Amino acid sequence: GAGVSQSPSNKVTEKGKDVELRCDPISGHTALYWYRQSLGQGLEFLIYFQGNSAPDKSGLPSDRFSAERTGGSVSTLTIQRTQQEDSAVYLCASSSRGAGGYQETQYFGPGTRLLVL
Amino acid sequence: AQKVTQAQTEISVVEKEDVTLDCVYETRDTTYYLFWYKQPPSGELVFLIRRNSFDEQNEISGRYSWNFQKSTSSFNFTITASQVVDSAVYFCALSEAPWGQAGTALIFGKGTTLSVSS
Repeated sequence: GAGVSQSPSNKVTEKGKDVELRCDPISGHTALYWYRQSLGQGLEFLIYFQGNSAPDKSGLPSDRFSAERTGGSVSTLTIQRTQQEDSAVYLCASSSRGAGGYQETQYFGPGTRLLVL
Repeated sequence: AQKVTQAQTEISVVEKEDVTLDCVYETRDTTYYLFWYKQPPSGELVFLIRRNSFDEQNEISGRYSWNFQKSTSSFNFTITASQVVDSAVYFCALSEAPWGQAGTALIFGKGTTLSVSS
């Protein structure tokens, strides 16, 4: 597609349930990022995938959060045993591969708005 | 440690006024990138500009201009002759570009909400 797509647009779930959020990056982009946007914390980095390299998970807030990227393209962010504080907009971004010392621009999807009741 | 500060939480202007959004950053790296993104009410983050640490030239794109000053660690954004459609939240972001690493996360400021009234 022309841009980064995310699904679902909105998700309402009950506390304790698991949720899966999907991201489809721009075709040809090898790097994929997940961020979270909440009122209290602003925009926070969660996890980064680059090609077949091991992901950078340094931003994941707890072990309830995990993500995978299949075939170097689509990514799924999973939140297990959701808590009310997980309510936020989850944003995905992709970029083409940078090189050492060179950072490519990240382009963002529309986000998934998650509400945990 | 990396940090981006956008001291202005909200700004309100009337159409056709010029407005400057401030951004101050902190980093220990000599190679880094600075970005501005716009988030309109629809919610999607829209890329506006990228600037690397070795290029201090100011940039102008239509009504938008950016002033990068390493001496004060600032990367300010000016909208000339503002319009109602400029109403949005604007984010300044920083990423470091360490040699041997293909990409790094963006560190965002808290954002500045700009309201332009007619």
